[in-house]
Amino acid sequence: QKEVEQDPGPLSVPEGAIVSLNCTYSNSAFQYFMWYRQYSRKGPELLMYTYSSGNKEDGRFTAQVDKSSKYISLFIRDSQPSDSATYLCAMSPLTGGGNKLTFGTGTQLKVEL
Amino acid sequence: GAVVSQHPSRVICKSGTSVKIECRSLDFQATTMFWYRQFPKKSLMLMATSNEGSKATYEQGVEKDKFLINHASLTLSTLTVTSAHPEDSSFYICSARVSHRLQETQYFGPGTRLLVL
Repeated sequence: QKEVEQDPGPLSVPEGAIVSLNCTYSNSAFQYFMWYRQYSRKGPELLMYTYSSGNKEDGRFTAQVDKSSKYISLFIRDSQPSDSATYLCAMSPLTGGGNKLTFGTGTQLKVEL
Repeated sequence: GAVVSQHPSRVICKSGTSVKIECRSLDFQATTMFWYRQFPKKSLMLMATSNEGSKATYEQGVEKDKFLINHASLTLSTLTVTSAHPEDSSFYICSARVSHRLQETQYFGPGTRLLVL
């Protein structure tokens, strides 16, 4: 069993839809959770950073962490074609930068006009 | 956010040659940088952790003599792929550790695509 599971997609939605992206994990020591967006042939870009359980909102993006279920989500409201990319979840047991990140495989999202 | 650059963005080389990839933190100092490898439609695989002024820490299965890492300054880490072979063809991405208040995370460079013929 992988430490972090993420549906690879592809996920195709119409413009304006609400997108839900999810990851599950098995290591209960994970405390820091991140979502990265990666466009084709580019490096990952940090979107959201959360610590422990709870919600965090930033513009059209909302990150949720449910540690009891070992489940994290990223919601994108009013999705745009420019949101088409691969979304990677990442997590770490201690501080998110100085310690190794464990990544999901990424979910490919396509937002269609 | 913090900006990390990589150079070159793309390189094609002959088998047996060595290739150097640079990773720079442009507007901050990074004591720790990470090197990843990514295959098509796959996630990032951590190769090594690069610490300024000390030897890099390699992940299991990564040959340190094959992938030489030098982190000589707080803004520059280099990865040299020695005696490259076609199986080394991949997308190499670096990241830099960023600490802000109580939050630490990693910011990634744009990646370097290596093709070994």
